[in-house]
Amino acid sequence: NAGVMQNPRHLVRRRGQEARLRCSPMKGHSHVYWYRQLPEEGLKFMVYLQKENIIDESGMPKERFSAEFPKEGPSILRIQQVVRGDSAAYFCASSPLSGRVNTGELFFGEGSRLTVL
Amino acid sequence: DQQVKQNSPSLSVQEGRISILNCDYTNSMFDYFLWYKKYPAEGPTFLISISSIKDKSEDGRFTVFLNKSAKHLSLHIVPSQPGDSAVYFCAALYDTNDYKLSFGAGTTVTVRA
Repeated sequence: NAGVMQNPRHLVRRRGQEARLRCSPMKGHSHVYWYRQLPEEGLKFMVYLQKENIIDESGMPKERFSAEFPKEGPSILRIQQVVRGDSAAYFCASSPLSGRVNTGELFFGEGSRLTVL
Repeated sequence: DQQVKQNSPSLSVQEGRISILNCDYTNSMFDYFLWYKKYPAEGPTFLISISSIKDKSEDGRFTVFLNKSAKHLSLHIVPSQPGDSAVYFCAALYDTNDYKLSFGAGTTVTVRA
């Protein structure tokens, strides 16, 4: 009964390179959320996706960041032309349904730590 | 704009005593509050929640108190145990975006034996 799986756990990129972070939700979960945690800060909402749909991307930076959750395969958070300020821990979470009544069933992955040199 | 604030970055408490973690919020639209616990190198896990229609929520050793007029909530852990040593995040939701958690910066709790 695997939980939310994120990979890679650690990723090092040089400025200008691309970073791809993957998230496989828990079995039976069709709602995926990405959060970013900058040093000394709390997690900040980035994007909410369902299969083949971006529901809310209001927390995503307007440029260089994109997310997808295809019909088959994991959700992917893609950061193009990374800069040092992108260094952070990126957490994916999944739930079977959305909404507050299901917040107790919101499960987070272990996170992907991106370091930009 | 930090709408959920945890002003104490750390807390040290002796095993068996009470841990009290505080959280303040600025957005009066928030109407559902949660606490998450996070161990190093792991993702946050849900601990307890409270709706704004209540002022108290309990689950075993964990109790949340909500003071809406002060926009303040607190998490009480009684008695504290070594396994409670972790980072605790306060989070909040409001109705029209009830999937978008706003997190505080976290409080690191260390329980001393």
